[in-house]
Amino acid sequence: GENVEQHPSTLSVQEGDSAVIKCTYSDSASNYFPWYKQELGKGPQLIIDIRSNVGEKKDQRIAVTLNKTAKHFSLHITETQPEDSAVYFCAARGSNYQLIWGAGTKLIIKP
Amino acid sequence: DAGITQSPRYKITETGRQVTLMCHQTWSHSYMFWYRQDLGHGLRLIYYSAAADITDKGEVPDGYVVSRSKTENFPLTLESATRSQTSVYFCASSPPPRGDTEAFFGQGTRLTVV
Repeated sequence: GENVEQHPSTLSVQEGDSAVIKCTYSDSASNYFPWYKQELGKGPQLIIDIRSNVGEKKDQRIAVTLNKTAKHFSLHITETQPEDSAVYFCAARGSNYQLIWGAGTKLIIKP
Repeated sequence: DAGITQSPRYKITETGRQVTLMCHQTWSHSYMFWYRQDLGHGLRLIYYSAAADITDKGEVPDGYVVSRSKTENFPLTLESATRSQTSVYFCASSPPPRGDTEAFFGQGTRLTVV
């Protein structure tokens, strides 16, 4: 079946450094790729998304890149801050319009 | 208050009991979803609903029942709870998932089956 693989499962970076989380999807018909941030005790919240006709999208310190040929997309966070500590999920919308989710990455920002 | 709310936030139940998790949204979103979140599995779709009285199975529907008599409510029932259903359950809602549609999540219900 369709799946999304997400790496790494845990990422620890020094405050101020950059963080990169990578996802690979299997359904070549996928055309929408959101990233969600989940803080402790809360539900996931959309932070950025990208459609298949775009290669890169930026929003202040976060950016997402998409390589359709390789079927992978990545989240980049620059100048990391303590409030960036959370679990991040990638997802891909497949041909049945349902989101297939990655397993999540726990991002730890070290002071 | 506008938004999506789940109740209860925490629930402990015994094996074999029936338990219902509630979800209510105020945006009149047509789509609603139930996910379960387990360590190492991310979010797995249990059931979803495209509109009132229309529901469909997701990836892991066994042991669960849903109904949607009103657009704003989407309860999830575990007919006979098992320990494997211990999890955090999230409800979400969204406009029709075509294009750049954001899913809005509730705060989750932590269910423990003993």
